[in-house]
Formats: sequence, C-alpha cells, structure tokens
Amino acid sequence: EIVMTQSPATLSVSPGERATLSCRASQSVSSNLAWYQQKPGQAPRLLIYGASTRATGIPARFSGSGSGTEFTLTISSLQSEDFAVYYCQQYNNWPPGTFGQGTRLEIK
Amino acid sequence: EVQLVESGGGVVRPGGSLRLSCAASGFTFDDYGMSWVRQAPGKGLEWVSGINWNGGSTGYADSVKGRFTISRDNAKNSLYLQMNSLRAEDTALYYCARGNYCSSTSCYTPIDYWGQGTLVTVSS
Repeated sequence: EIVMTQSPATLSVSPGERATLSCRASQSVSSNLAWYQQKPGQAPRLLIYGASTRATGIPARFSGSGSGTEFTLTISSLQSEDFAVYYCQQYNNWPPGTFGQGTRLEIK
Repeated sequence: EVQLVESGGGVVRPGGSLRLSCAASGFTFDDYGMSWVRQAPGKGLEWVSGINWNGGSTGYADSVKGRFTISRDNAKNSLYLQMNSLRAEDTALYYCARGNYCSSTSCYTPIDYWGQGTLVTVSS
C-alpha cells in the first residue's frame, strides 16, 4: 500500500500571503495525484487533479505541481475562505486510493 | 447538477450490520466508477471501497475487507455498502463519491463529486 505523507500538519499564514503545502508518496504515483479542500461541516471539494490541473471553478490562485513522489499545492494569495484542511490523494495504485493525513491551514 | 445523496446510517451495536445507499443523479451513472470514503470524528479521510462502472471490479481497504461489500444497481442509479461485523472503529461519516475506480474510459480518476455523508455510530 502506498503511504502519502503531508507536511506540515498545520500551517499558519497571514491573508494575502503565499501558502505552500507538500505531499510525498512512498513510491511513484506518476501524476495521478489530487488535492482536496475541506471546510468544517462540509464534504471535501476537488481542487487539483493530475497533479497540476485545476478542477472546474477553482480559482487560479490554486496551483499544483510535481510528479512521481513529490507534490506541492500552492495558494498564491490567501483569501479568508481558503483557511481549511487540505488533503492529497493518490489514485495511481489502488485499492486503496490512499489519502494523506491532511494539512490544516490556519490564519496567522 | 451532479447529486449524491446517502442514506442508511444510524446507531448499531458492535457486531451488527447496516446497509448504506447512495442515490445518484445529474450524470450518466453507469459511465463512472464510484467509491465510499469515511471520516471518523475529528480525523482525516479514509478510502473504504470502490467499484468500477459496470460492477465487475471492486476493491476494499484492508480495514474493512471481508466485512464490507460494495455493489451498484445501474438501472436504479444507486450505490450500496453492506457493512457487517461492525466495530467501534467503524464509527464515521460515510461519503458516497464519484471516481477513484475505473470509469468506462479511464482507470485513473480522482473523486470529483462527494455527497454530504451519512453518519454511522457503532456503540453498545
């Protein structure tokens, strides 16, 4: 089973600043990597798939990069609505489609 | 508009059974692989099970293998999860999700839509 490791566990950033979240796979997942955003009391929402393709309706301030085992989600200028928990998930080798443990993005 | 509506959650004693259902609408159901993903209170996401577009292939997390069974009825646009021998650690919000198993065109699909979840509580 592929293990997905996200870092940091919590990231404190001021509104308007850039946030960089990392996700590492225990073995190559090619570009079959997605990022999800989850706000309290809500279902997750797809942000990025294929490591770097924004999902429909996702603002351009969200960008993804990487391939193989190292991936990054960047939010270029944080808005108040961006403070949430972010998960990465590989869908290259399944079952299972393993998720990372999440990064909590909080207001500094 | 894509909609996934789960039902069937509730409180059950350890060792008991529940059957979750997911009613899908707004898309061609039998084109897509489907999954169940759960989230224990205050915890992260855990992929539980998936099924391909025609029901011919299924998969399970090790934590539920042999106890849970996923199925689908494409004529009814519905996804199911039969959960047997339930344990306290199965307590979670269970999401129905589109993706993560082979669609009719690709076996590399992210989860692009989620339901709102149905809560399963296993407690004596």
